[in-house]
Amino acid sequence: QVQLVESGGGVVQPGRSLRLSCAASGFTFSSYGMHWVRQAPGKGLEWVAVIWYDGSNKYYADSVKGRFTISRDNSKNTLYLQMNSLRAEDTAVYYCARDPTKWELPKYYFDYWGQGTLVTVSS
Amino acid sequence: QSALTQPASVSGSPGQSITISCTGTSSDVGSYNLVSWYQQHPGKAPKLMIYEVSKRPSGVSNRFSGSKSGNTASLTISGLQAEDEADYYCCSYAGSSGVFGGGTKLTVL
Repeated sequence: QVQLVESGGGVVQPGRSLRLSCAASGFTFSSYGMHWVRQAPGKGLEWVAVIWYDGSNKYYADSVKGRFTISRDNSKNTLYLQMNSLRAEDTAVYYCARDPTKWELPKYYFDYWGQGTLVTVSS
Repeated sequence: QSALTQPASVSGSPGQSITISCTGTSSDVGSYNLVSWYQQHPGKAPKLMIYEVSKRPSGVSNRFSGSKSGNTASLTISGLQAEDEADYYCCSYAGSSGVFGGGTKLTVL
């Protein structure tokens, strides 16, 4: 069965960096686009970033552009989110999620989600 | 990338039907048939309920249906059940980005 397991969250000071990982199993990871979606405590969902199945294209929300980098290692079935210059408003549970399209342009909906990892930005 | 607009809350009694609206713009909801809906129970990850405006994933009850008119998409839940009480979010493709609605809390009275 499809599994997505995030890791790497924790407490970090403003201005510092953190890298999240998402280990995928149960499907051919290299065939699917992948997203990061976040949810601040008590708030709604916010789309963060997408990466094409082959890593050839990446797009970001305006709120993280220039600070966050999405990447993937298809040989390790792992998705990453490098977060730099972190701000208090980046505090959230970060979910990785699969785009259901294979080898095509992502359709920006999410058929499988991880359980999330909490990132807290605080001094 | 402004958030889509959803009502903050809706409520209904068991057996009734409710509809949650999701209003965007001609740059997102109005231009693409790539609207999806998610159900989220407290402390849980979201679950896909509707994709591409009106399609249901395997395993999702046919009590859930979706539609779209112009810049507004809608999720209808018929025959409300206690377990439907949750937060619901719409999401739309917006040209190389995704945009969610603010979420709607459904209370089953």
